[in-house]
Amino acid sequence: DAKTTQPNSMESNEEEPVHLPCNHSTISGTDYIHWYRQLPSQGPEYVIHGLTSNVNNRMASLAIAEDRKSSTLILHRATLRDAAVYYCILRDGTGTASKLTFGTGTRLQVTL
Amino acid sequence: EAGVTQSPTHLIKTRGQQATLRCSPISGHTSVYWYQQALGLGLQFLLWYDEGEERNRGNFPPRFSGRQFPNYSSELNVNALELEDSALYLCASSLGGPYGEQFFGPGTRLTVL
Repeated sequence: DAKTTQPNSMESNEEEPVHLPCNHSTISGTDYIHWYRQLPSQGPEYVIHGLTSNVNNRMASLAIAEDRKSSTLILHRATLRDAAVYYCILRDGTGTASKLTFGTGTRLQVTL
Repeated sequence: EAGVTQSPTHLIKTRGQQATLRCSPISGHTSVYWYQQALGLGLQFLLWYDEGEERNRGNFPPRFSGRQFPNYSSELNVNALELEDSALYLCASSLGGPYGEQFFGPGTRLTVL
C-alpha cells in the first residue's frame, strides 16, 4: 500500500480555516485519496475523497496537487466539534482490495 | 436510518477463551469490514466480507475469523485469546463493491485478562 505522511498534531482557533496537509509521493495512478476522521470515543467517519480534481462537500474541501504527490484537507471554519484525528488514506481504485489502511493521522485541536 | 450497530459494547474474557463479536450493517449495504484499534498500533484492517464471501484479509493469524450471514450481518470470532488481543474492534459497512464510503459502528471493546 502506498504510504501517506501527516503531521502528528495541529492546532486551530474556532471559526478559523484549517489546512491539514498530507504527503503521498508514491501514489499510483489508480489510487484515490480518502480522508476520514475519528472523534473521541467514536468510530471513524468519512469526510471526503478525490482522484485528481479538487473536491468540495458539506464538510470540507480537498485540494489535490497537480502531480498528486500531496493533498490538503480544508475545513473552512473550524468548530470545537471538529476536534478529532484526521486520517489521509490512499485507496486502491482497481477493485482488488477495498480495505482502508490507516496511518497515524493528524490530531486536530480546536480552541476558543 | 439506523447506522451500523455492534454488540456487545464491552466484552471481558480471559486468556485462551473465545470471543464472538457481532455487527449489523446499514440496511442495503452488502459489504462488511472489520478493523482492530489497539493502543499504540492504530487502526488495522482485519477482514472484508461482501455478498457472504471473504474478499480480503489483513495480516492477522488464522485464529481471527468471521463470517457474513445471508442478511449481511457479520460476526468476528477470535479463538485462543491472547492479552494483546485487547482492543477496540470496529465494524464498517458500505454498498457493494470496492469503492464505497465506509460507515463505522461504535465498536466493541474487548478486554482480555
